[in-house]
Amino acid sequence: EPEVTQTPSHQVTQMGQEVILRCVPISNHLYFYWYRQILGQKVEFLVSFYNNEISEKSEIFDDQFSVERPDGSNFTLKIRSTKLEDSAMYFCASSEALGTIYFGEGSWLTVV
Amino acid sequence: AQSVTQLDSHVSVSEGTPVLLRCNYSSSYSPSLFWYVQHPNKGLQLLLKYTSAATLVKGINGFEAEFKKSETSFHLTKPSAHMSDAAEYFCVVRSGEYGNKLVFGAGTILRVKS
Repeated sequence: EPEVTQTPSHQVTQMGQEVILRCVPISNHLYFYWYRQILGQKVEFLVSFYNNEISEKSEIFDDQFSVERPDGSNFTLKIRSTKLEDSAMYFCASSEALGTIYFGEGSWLTVV
Repeated sequence: AQSVTQLDSHVSVSEGTPVLLRCNYSSSYSPSLFWYVQHPNKGLQLLLKYTSAATLVKGINGFEAEFKKSETSFHLTKPSAHMSDAAEYFCVVRSGEYGNKLVFGAGTILRVKS
């Protein structure tokens, strides 16, 4: 069964450092997403991406965040200067149009 | 705006007994609703989805959910719990300007006792 894959599974970074989280969405999907889950809190929407541009973003997704589809298979989330409060599980997801959204297993980011 | 409320943060059942995880939704139009499950150290897996075709929706692993518009509910049930069902369950509604954003409930942790 096709699946969304994410790397790394776990990353520890120093505050102020840049982090790139990588995702390979399901191959025929056109919509891509990032969500995050801070420990003990709800899963929150960050951004959706379609046709090489952001289609919707939440208030969390400020100038420190950016997304990119650098080639035909990868979808990345960059955090420019990490803060302690960026520590969370980051989920990549993808879907065909408005169909079911499939999630990866997550990348656990710890900022120290 | 669309939202969901999961009425129980923790549910504990004995193996072989029924499971009921409760979810109420708030939506200004006919919603698309989902249940996702997250096992420890795993990603979010879709259990089932409601998209207005049938009010009783069957999912994987013996789970099902019934959409009740009059009660604005979408409760998840399973006739007989298995130890492997122990996980966190999320009720989710589709939202956003283009309908491609998911809004998650707070989650219900299901514990299954032997």
